[in-house]
Amino acid sequence: GAVVSQHPSRVICKSGTSVKIECRSLDFQATTMFWYRQFPKQSLMLMATSNEGSKATYEQGVEKDKFLINHASLTLSTLTVTSAHPEDSSFYICSANIRTGKYEQFFGPGTRLTVL
Amino acid sequence: LAKTTQPVSMDSYEGQEVNITCSHNNIATNDYITWYQQFPSQGPRFIIQGYKTKVTNEVASLFIPADRKSSTLSLPRVSLSDTAVYYCLVGDPGGATNKLIFGTGTLLAVQP
Repeated sequence: GAVVSQHPSRVICKSGTSVKIECRSLDFQATTMFWYRQFPKQSLMLMATSNEGSKATYEQGVEKDKFLINHASLTLSTLTVTSAHPEDSSFYICSANIRTGKYEQFFGPGTRLTVL
Repeated sequence: LAKTTQPVSMDSYEGQEVNITCSHNNIATNDYITWYQQFPSQGPRFIIQGYKTKVTNEVASLFIPADRKSSTLSLPRVSLSDTAVYYCLVGDPGGATNKLIFGTGTLLAVQP
C-alpha cells in the first residue's frame, strides 16, 4: 500500500518554542492531507484538512494561528505548533487519501511531541 | 458525517473468532464503512472497507445488513498481536474532503 511518513517521530522542546512536523506521501501525490491529534487513551481528533496550494480548513475549536499548516507541494504538508506549551504535548498524526476505485486513507506513523 | 457507536472494550482468547459490531444509524446513501486498527504510538492501519452485504480480505470480514445501520468486523482466529484499538468509520469516498471523524473505538484485548 501507499506510504505516508512523518518527521520527526518524536520531539521534546521547551515551552514557548515552535515545532514543525512534516508529513510526506512517499509514492503518491496527495492534494489533500489531514492532521489529527491524539491524547493518551483517547481517540484521534481531526484538527484540520490541508489542501495543496490553498489555505487549510480547521475544525471547530482548533486555533489556526496556533497550529500553522502549509501544503506547498503534492507530497508534503507541514504542521507548525507555535509557541508550544505543555498542554500541546500529544501524538500528532497525518494522513492522505488515494482516490482510486476504493477509498483508502493512509496514515503516517505519528509524531510524539513533549513540551517541557 | 455519520456518528458511530462501538463497544469500548472486548476480551478474547487466542484462536477465537472475534466480532466487533458498530452502529451507524444515520449513515448516508453515499457513505462507505471502513475499519482501522491502531497499535499504541502508531498511526491507524486500514483493515477493510465495504458498502453493503459482505466483504472479505486476507485479514478480516465485514458484514453489513441490508439497512446498513450497523456493521460487524469479524477477525478469525485472533492472536496476541491482534490486541489493538479498532475504529469503525463511515464516510463518502466521493465527498469533497473525504475527512474521517473517529469515534471512541474498541479496545480488543487478546489473552493467551
